[in-house]
Amino acid sequence: SQTIHQWPATLVQPVGSPLSLECTVEGTSNPNLYWYRQAAGRGLQLLFYSVGIGQISSEVPQNLSASRPQDRQFILSSKKLLLSDSGFYLCAWSAAYGYTFGSGTRLTVV
Amino acid sequence: DQQVKQNSPSLSVQEGRISILNCDYTNSMFDYFLWYKKYPAEGPTFLISISSIKDKNEDGRFTVFLNKSAKHLSLHIVPSQPGDSAVYFCAASATGAQKLVFGQGTRLTINP
Repeated sequence: SQTIHQWPATLVQPVGSPLSLECTVEGTSNPNLYWYRQAAGRGLQLLFYSVGIGQISSEVPQNLSASRPQDRQFILSSKKLLLSDSGFYLCAWSAAYGYTFGSGTRLTVV
Repeated sequence: DQQVKQNSPSLSVQEGRISILNCDYTNSMFDYFLWYKKYPAEGPTFLISISSIKDKNEDGRFTVFLNKSAKHLSLHIVPSQPGDSAVYFCAASATGAQKLVFGQGTRLTINP
């Protein structure tokens, strides 16, 4: 069966520090992968998506970047976090009926 | 440009009654629609979907209605239960598109 793993579950980072969130998928090959963010009181905003290794599409200009070094691995990064980067980050992969989401990472930038 | 809109940020319903969540879209190319349910600090989970060739899809207590001419869909939950309290997201996609477009979400609260 297909599963998606996302870690860490929570993270508190100081302003200006780097960020690396990792997402891995099991049980499928060549999935479409996505990073979403849910800011406080707001909906799900698509940040990046990838249709294959090394292929990244950015949806909104921001302080973040994404990489896909392996078929089932998707990484969200930042060199220097801003306060506005706080939020709930979700990884997802595209299943037959829609998306399957990971459990999310609550990022608080202080 | 918000292509999928959920204009009600919150909804409060009494237990046992019907909950109706609404969603509007602007892109006429959308042909597949989904509803997701999200609890705090968890990822959204798939609830129910509908293709544009249908106008209704039912799964237990959940029914989704699609009105293509009005570019409107709704999710009906009946009877509503306390465990239904969550944020509900409407989403849409077009054939060949690589991504889902989500609405802003509606927080549903079921009162005992």
